[in-house]
Amino acid sequence: QKEVEQDPGPLSVPEGAIVSLNCTYSNSAFQYFMWYRQYSRKGPELLMYTYSSGNKEDGRFTAQVDKSSKYISLFIRDSQPSDSATYLCAMSSNSGYSTLTFGKGTMLLVSP
Amino acid sequence: EAQVTQNPRYLITVTGKKLTVTCSQNMNHEYMSWYRQDPGLGLRQIYYSMNVEVTDKGDVPEGYKVSRKEKRNFPLILESPSPNQTSLYFCASSLSGRGRYEQYFGPGTRLTVT
Repeated sequence: QKEVEQDPGPLSVPEGAIVSLNCTYSNSAFQYFMWYRQYSRKGPELLMYTYSSGNKEDGRFTAQVDKSSKYISLFIRDSQPSDSATYLCAMSSNSGYSTLTFGKGTMLLVSP
Repeated sequence: EAQVTQNPRYLITVTGKKLTVTCSQNMNHEYMSWYRQDPGLGLRQIYYSMNVEVTDKGDVPEGYKVSRKEKRNFPLILESPSPNQTSLYFCASSLSGRGRYEQYFGPGTRLTVT
């Protein structure tokens, strides 16, 4: 079983739709959860950051963590064509110098 | 402007010809890392460095070398490139090696080995 699983997509939605992106993981030690956005031909950039369980909202974006189910989600409300990108989840534990473990990314396409 | 820079951005080379991809950050970050990104395989870590003169292997280190002589620079060296090293390479840096810190990525270097 891979440590972090993420559906590669592509996920195609019309402009204005609510988008749900998800990752599952197997390592119960993960405490820090991040979502990176990567536009075509660019490096990933941090979009959302959550510690432990719960929700975090930032504008049109909401990150959810359910540690009991080992499941994290990113919701995008009122999606825009400019949201078209690949979204990578990333996570790490709190023990020592653990590095980030990335999902493979989900490609999102928002059509006008 | 806080940033990670990589050079070159695009490189086409031939099998066996040594090359170096440079990476520099201006944020005084301790931690730096190299990844390769391939379709269907996602980001895979090649090497990382916790601080000056401290480097360690990531998930796919074979065929690569690194050095960290200065805090700001972390070059990636391919001593004898092979076609299976054709990939998109990213350098990243972070305040600390602890995974909870955001990693800042460079713009990427697209390498083709023929």
